[in-house]
Amino acid sequence: RKEVEQDPGPFNVPEGATVAFNCTYSNSASQSFFWYRQDCRKEPKLLMSVYSSGNEDGRFTAQLNRASQYISLLIRDSKLSDSATYLCVVNYLTGGGNKLTFGTGTQLKVEL
Amino acid sequence: DGGITQSPKYLFRKEGQNVTLSCEQNLNHDAMYWYRQDPGQGLRLIYYSQIVNDFQKGDIAEGYSVSREKKESFPLTVTSAQKNPTAFYLCASGSSVGYGYTFGSGTRLTVV
Repeated sequence: RKEVEQDPGPFNVPEGATVAFNCTYSNSASQSFFWYRQDCRKEPKLLMSVYSSGNEDGRFTAQLNRASQYISLLIRDSKLSDSATYLCVVNYLTGGGNKLTFGTGTQLKVEL
Repeated sequence: DGGITQSPKYLFRKEGQNVTLSCEQNLNHDAMYWYRQDPGQGLRLIYYSQIVNDFQKGDIAEGYSVSREKKESFPLTVTSAQKNPTAFYLCASGSSVGYGYTFGSGTRLTVV
């Protein structure tokens, strides 16, 4: 089983739609969680951290369920510019320090 | 401006040659990471370092080596022992588990 699992997509949605991505992780000792965005042939960029209480940043809402080891990202009123790959990232502490593990990403295509 | 710089952006190597990828950050981050990304796939951890003069193997360390002689620098050497080195290499740094990590713009290595 992969440490972080995501549906690869692609999710093809019309502009203005609401879309949700899910991610599950296997290591119950995981400490912190993030969503990154990666555009084609570019480096990943931090979209938002994910907290158990849920957090929102404009049109983006992230949620963490530690009991189910599940992370979600909701995008409302999607824009053409939201087209990208969204990476779920989990961090846990090892003997050698913090280790970030990435999911393979979910591809989103927003269409007119 | 603070940031993380990778060089070169593109690199071509002949089979059997070692090559070193540069990663420098002026963000005063303690932790630094090297990842590899293959087309259509997620990021896989090669090596990571939490402090100077200490580093840990990631999930795919075979055929790679690193050093961490300075806080700002974490070079990656791709040795001739790496059987399939053609990939997109990404360096990242971070200071705290709660605040995410910053990536460099990456180096595309092609073996010719």
